[in-house]
Amino acid sequence: NAGVTQTPKFRILKIGQSMTLQCTQDMNHNYMYWYRQDPGMGLKLIYYSVGAGITDKGEVPNGYNVSRSTTEDFPLRLELAAPSQTSVYFCASRQGQGRTEAFFGQGTRLTVV
Amino acid sequence: GESVGLHLPTLSVQEGDNSIINCAYSNSASDYFIWYKQESGKGPQFIIDIRSNMDKRQGQRVTVLLNKTVKHLSLQIAATQPGDSAVYFCAENNYGQNFVFGPGTRLSVLP
Repeated sequence: NAGVTQTPKFRILKIGQSMTLQCTQDMNHNYMYWYRQDPGMGLKLIYYSVGAGITDKGEVPNGYNVSRSTTEDFPLRLELAAPSQTSVYFCASRQGQGRTEAFFGQGTRLTVV
Repeated sequence: GESVGLHLPTLSVQEGDNSIINCAYSNSASDYFIWYKQESGKGPQFIIDIRSNMDKRQGQRVTVLLNKTVKHLSLQIAATQPGDSAVYFCAENNYGQNFVFGPGTRLSVLP
């Protein structure tokens, strides 16, 4: 059981480039989340999804886009990378239906130069 | 607005002692609260949760206390071990769909 898998683990982007951070889960969870974590800080919610075809903005959505075409996958898209997007990105999933435990991926460390 | 914060950014304890990590919250409407542990280079890992209608919940070596009067949450770790060294986050439920995380407390266990 792989849980939540994120790719890539590390990436360096130049300003203005675009990329997609991949996230997939094999637990058939309804809820999926994208967070960013800046050094020495907590996690800020970027986007979340309560099921396939449904997405919504979190605290810091500007500069990002998401899609949820399947239950398993929840990719995060950066269209025009900026230095302010340098961070560690975590994807998480949760079953919902009263279950509180969220499972996190190992993270993607992104540097924009 | 909603916020979840921690009283202390760092905490150092001797191995074998008990640790107490504190958290303040402001949204009295939160339904439940969760503690996560994050080891270096890894994603957060669920430790324990507590619903707003409870005052105390115990797990294996951990106890979470909720004081709704002063909007305070704490995580107690008994007989702290080197493997407990990590950053600990509290998070509060936000209308059942997502969570607001605090900035975290770094726990260092001294030999």
